[in-house]
This record gives sequence, structure tokens and C-alpha cells, in this order.
Amino acid sequence: GQQVMQIPQYQHVQEGEDFTTYCNSSTTLSNIQWYKQRPGGHPVFLIQLVKSGEVKKQKRLTFQFGEAKKNSSLHITATQTTDVGTYFCAVPKHEYNFNKFYFGSGTKLNVKP
Amino acid sequence: EAGVAQSPRYKIIEKRQSVAFWCNPISGHATLYWYQQILGQGPKLLIQFQNNGVVDDSQLPKDRFSAERLKGVDSTLKIQPAKLEDSAVYLCASSSVRARANYGYTFGSGTRLTVV
Repeated sequence: GQQVMQIPQYQHVQEGEDFTTYCNSSTTLSNIQWYKQRPGGHPVFLIQLVKSGEVKKQKRLTFQFGEAKKNSSLHITATQTTDVGTYFCAVPKHEYNFNKFYFGSGTKLNVKP
Repeated sequence: EAGVAQSPRYKIIEKRQSVAFWCNPISGHATLYWYQQILGQGPKLLIQFQNNGVVDDSQLPKDRFSAERLKGVDSTLKIQPAKLEDSAVYLCASSSVRARANYGYTFGSGTRLTVV
């Protein structure tokens, strides 16, 4: 099954600064999902990436899937206090499996106003 | 559409006691998952149902955990007997083939279990 490493574990930024979290796999991924979990909340789906080199944007969030489909990143421009939470990547248990996902350990983001 | 419903929200039990959690997925979602999330960690998949059949329970500690999804809708997860290390949030999620690519999993609010 797929294993994924997520870095950094924690990130503290001043409001307005940028933030990036990375998800790295030793094997090729068919797809990758990103979730956000607010403190005390449950994971909420953000996006799914499927194509090599894919870049998707959601307002201040930019998601990238590497050319080799072994890594992915989530970049937040000009963070706000509402961005506080833990960001998880999730990868399928087996290649070409869209039905069963393993979650990374997450990057906890704290934004100081 | 209504979200994934879970109950109870919180549960405190003593070790060796039994506990059960309930989940009602989004209507029409054939796939249902139970995840365990220990504080500071990512969710860990315990079991996956497709309709009322188990697809994957490879990470379910079967000596103490059991789950069922009668009639392919609601599901219950049971722990008997509980251990201290079972303290975690138990998350239920559902998805459908059509929804998965655009909406991923939809998680419920979870049940926070504390074993003392």
C-alpha cells in the first residue's frame, strides 16, 4: 500500500505571510486529495488532483501535483486567521484505487494576527 | 443535502467497558468508512463498507472492534472491551462514485471517546 510523508509537522506564521505544506510519496500516485481540519472539527475535502503537473487554484490556495506524480503541495498566499487548522493529504491505498485513502500525518498551521 | 450524522458526540467510559457509535451517511452514498483519529495524528482507516458488505477491514483490531452496516445504510462501530489506547475521535465518512472526484469523502463530526 501507499505511504506518504507530510512536511512540515507544524508551521507558525504571521498573518499575511505565505504558507506551504508538502506531501511526498516513494511510489507513483494515481491521485491525491487534500483536506482541512479546523481545531475541534472534522476533515473537510478541499480538492483532488489526478493529472501529472496539475495546478488548481481556490482563491488564495494553490494545489500542485508533481510531474512524476510522487509529490504534491498546497500553498496559501497571504494567510488569514481563518486558515488556522491542520492540512492533510490523502493518497489511495493502492495505485489506481480511487476508493480507499490513507491520510498523511498533517501540517498544523497557526496564524498569528 | 444533509451531512453525515454521528452520535454520540462525546463518550467517557472506563477501561474494559463496551461502547458503540452510530453513523448515518449521506443518502445515496454506497461507500461508508470508519476512521480512528488519535490526537495529533491523521485519520486511520479502520473499515470500509460498500453497501452492506465489508470491503476492507485489514486495520480493524478484530479481537475488540466490530462493525456492521445493516441494510446498507446506517452503521455501528463497537468496541468491547475498551482499552486506554482506544481514546480517540472516531470519524465516519461516506462517498459515492459520482461524488468522489469532486467532493472526496464527507466526514461526520465524529465521536470523541475517552477511556479512563
